[in-house]
Amino acid sequence: DTAVSQTPKYLVTQMGNDKSIKCEQNLGHDTMYWYKQDSKKFLKIMFSYNNKELIINETVPNRFSPKSPDKAHLNLHINSLELGDSAVYFCASSPQRETGELFFGEGSRLTVL
Amino acid sequence: RKEVEQDPGPFNVPEGATVAFNCTYSNSASQSFFWYRQDCRKEPKLLMSVYSSGNEDGRFTAQLNRASQYISLLIRDSKLSDSATYLCVACDSWGKFQFGAGTQVVVTP
Repeated sequence: DTAVSQTPKYLVTQMGNDKSIKCEQNLGHDTMYWYKQDSKKFLKIMFSYNNKELIINETVPNRFSPKSPDKAHLNLHINSLELGDSAVYFCASSPQRETGELFFGEGSRLTVL
Repeated sequence: RKEVEQDPGPFNVPEGATVAFNCTYSNSASQSFFWYRQDCRKEPKLLMSVYSSGNEDGRFTAQLNRASQYISLLIRDSKLSDSATYLCVACDSWGKFQFGAGTQVVVTP
């Protein structure tokens, strides 16, 4: 059973389109995250939710909108895609906000043409 | 300035040798620290947590120096399978896990 699963794994789309990435965790964790890993391999935190409540919102364009329908799911919707949005997006979950280990999904590779 | 800084490497290490590298963090409020490993085109996976007293897990030893705000990782008896990028992570009380850009290690036969 995959602990943190993301769909789709690969996404190729045109500039200006809107796309969503879904994430689900079956670990019973309270906290979920979205990270972006760009071409330089730097993992940058975007958002964090704890029990469906947004607790971390980094300086991310408002074209990016996370949504957590329940604590097991955290989806990411991106409007008006730009070339610079091309990256690998990782979903992660953690049992404890301050000290827990992060469990990552396999990543969703987004390519904007 | 990035919150967690690492030497990107690569560190080219002969098989069986020892390699060590550090990272520094800028947020003095960071509470917990980790080393993650990331293989090419894969997700990061936890290698080990880092405790104030230092800790060892097999061939891997991690140290934390809160006064100087740096964390180190030492790998003994390097194996070919240790080739990867090692990510240093600092976490604050809000659960914000800040990653360094990674140190690449290449173990050669």
